[in-house]
Amino acid sequence: GAGVSQSPSNKVTEKGKDVELRCDPISGHTALYWYRQRLGQGLEFLIYFQGNSAPDKSGLPSDRFSAERTGESVSTLTIQRTQQEDSAVYLCASSPIGSLNTEAFFGQGTRLTVV
Amino acid sequence: GQQVMQIPQYQHVQEGEDFTTYCNSSTTLSNIQWYKQRPGGHPVFLIQLVKSGEVKKQKRLTFQFGEAKKNSSLHITATQTTDVGTYFCAGESTGANSKLTFGKGITLSVRP
Repeated sequence: GAGVSQSPSNKVTEKGKDVELRCDPISGHTALYWYRQRLGQGLEFLIYFQGNSAPDKSGLPSDRFSAERTGESVSTLTIQRTQQEDSAVYLCASSPIGSLNTEAFFGQGTRLTVV
Repeated sequence: GQQVMQIPQYQHVQEGEDFTTYCNSSTTLSNIQWYKQRPGGHPVFLIQLVKSGEVKKQKRLTFQFGEAKKNSSLHITATQTTDVGTYFCAGESTGANSKLTFGKGITLSVRP
């Protein structure tokens, strides 16, 4: 596709349920990032992928959060046993590595609401 | 690990005033990037600075990369209401496992 695609765009879930958020990066982009953004707040780093491996998982807030990437392409962020504090917009970004221009392209985000 | 800091988190200016914000990295960077997020939108790339001391301009916006490649500034001349939004800097680390580290951002509001 032309840009980074995230699905779903909106997700309302009940507390305690598991959710899966999907990110389709730009084809050929080796680097992939997940961020969380609470209302009116800045970007909170979650995890970084280089290819299919995750050299930096330091931002995952608890063991309820996990992410994987396959085929150096699609990534899924899974939140188990969701809590109300998980409500936020989850943003995915991808960028090339090893080129002069490493601009990150963001998706539109998934707005997660836990009720 | 690498940290990129933007302080303060919010700033309010009167339309027509100049605005400057700073970005500081705990480590030397290979490049620094700036992004803008409009209310309700997602961050969008503005510019990338690579060379020590580099200065780039986009209309009323002036971006500078520090001599030590550890800090950067964004200056907006004569702010307009269209400048409202959150400005993020992102530093790319050096080395084999280089990655972009985003600052928390500064949210600019402009009083008409």
